[in-house]
Amino acid sequence: ETGVTQSPTHLIKTRGQQVTLRCSSQSGHNTVSWYQQALGQGPQFIFQYYREEENGRGNFPPRFSGLQFPNYSSELNVNALELDDSALYLCASSSGGTSVLNEQFFGPGTRLTVL
Amino acid sequence: QKEVEQNSGPLSVPEGAIASLNCTYSDRVSQSFFWYRQYSGKSPELIMSIYSNGDKEDGRFTAQLNKASQYVSLLIRDSQPSDSATYLCAGHTSGTYKYIFGTGTRLKVLA
Repeated sequence: ETGVTQSPTHLIKTRGQQVTLRCSSQSGHNTVSWYQQALGQGPQFIFQYYREEENGRGNFPPRFSGLQFPNYSSELNVNALELDDSALYLCASSSGGTSVLNEQFFGPGTRLTVL
Repeated sequence: QKEVEQNSGPLSVPEGAIASLNCTYSDRVSQSFFWYRQYSGKSPELIMSIYSNGDKEDGRFTAQLNKASQYVSLLIRDSQPSDSATYLCAGHTSGTYKYIFGTGTRLKVLA
């Protein structure tokens, strides 16, 4: 069984640039959620994708957008990067669609630094 | 009140002792709760989930849920230095697909 994978591992961008982060869900999982984790904080929910549609969104501006592909992999896009976007970006996958009982399993994360 | 609240710690316990980690939640959070362990610089690892009132045991870990008092706890028996990490409590917000995490409690197990 393949776990959740994310790429790249680390990324350095400058303010105003755009970035795309990628996630492959765990085998058998059809739902992907994205989180932002600042240093010393818990993960903050960005959004969730199920059946290639955004299924729920946290308090993040529209410059945070995403996609889910037919193979359940997903991308997180962030436009017009700001210094405060520097964080660990986590992808989590789960099975069972949108059930509230779903257990989520996290990938290793992408560390984004915005200069 | 924060939706999911944890004491940031650090909580220090001697090796072999029971570590007790607590989490309280607001009315907006319900139904399902999850405990994750996160080592420094790593991503969260799922320890266990709990949905019903009462205790749920898995090896050295016991999760407890009390919906009337709106708290969920994690007990770690026979604590080991390798258990030293930040423990995150997460809940699922009512009527949405949004998961809310607490800020985590840092546990230090002293050899």
